[in-house]
Amino acid sequence: DAKTTQPPSMDCAEGRAANLPCNHSTISGNEYVYWYRQIHSQGPQYIIHGLKNNETNEMASLIITEDRKSSTLILPHATLRDTAVYYCIVRVFYNQGGKLIFGQGTELSVKP
Amino acid sequence: DVKVTQSSRYLVKRTGEKVFLECVQDMDHENMFWYRQDPGLGLRLIYFSYDVKMKEKGDIPEGYSVSREKKERFSLILESASTNQTSMYLCASSFSVAGANVLTFGAGSRLTVL
Repeated sequence: DAKTTQPPSMDCAEGRAANLPCNHSTISGNEYVYWYRQIHSQGPQYIIHGLKNNETNEMASLIITEDRKSSTLILPHATLRDTAVYYCIVRVFYNQGGKLIFGQGTELSVKP
Repeated sequence: DVKVTQSSRYLVKRTGEKVFLECVQDMDHENMFWYRQDPGLGLRLIYFSYDVKMKEKGDIPEGYSVSREKKERFSLILESASTNQTSMYLCASSFSVAGANVLTFGAGSRLTVL
């Protein structure tokens, strides 16, 4: 599995966009990019995933560079409740198992 | 709303005790997972299962076993608990759709071994 690199921590002002970067320079052609987040004392929560194209859902947008070596998760209007650890994971799709390996993630602090 | 339920939120056990951590999902998912989470080490995969009675070792299976007798239930067993197994244990289940393996996690079970 491709290794990911994320900054250990970031701050963001409430109401502003939070842009969380992830480097995955060794990603292979069939590996997906997943983002999860973990709010303190809770289990991780799925946010979004993508392969090549940019993706958007009700929670966030995922921008993947053309060479797929990096991506950015965008929370368009961050709130205090978005304070969490955000994990970027790359993984081949499996019908069975589909185990995901979590790294250290980025601790995002949204401040008033 | 989909749910993964872990039987105990907090447990305190003594060294050498046998410990059962239960996990139930109501989503008819094929795949289930057990992770442990420790400060500075992140989430580490212990075991996973992609079908009833099937199990696969994760990255840190030593000292643990699992049981999956029914599709909805995945149990983690510590045969003889040790203090280094004090941790937060997270169960998850997943479905595969449109190229994604999307995990749904339970709230976690915080185990303290004295």
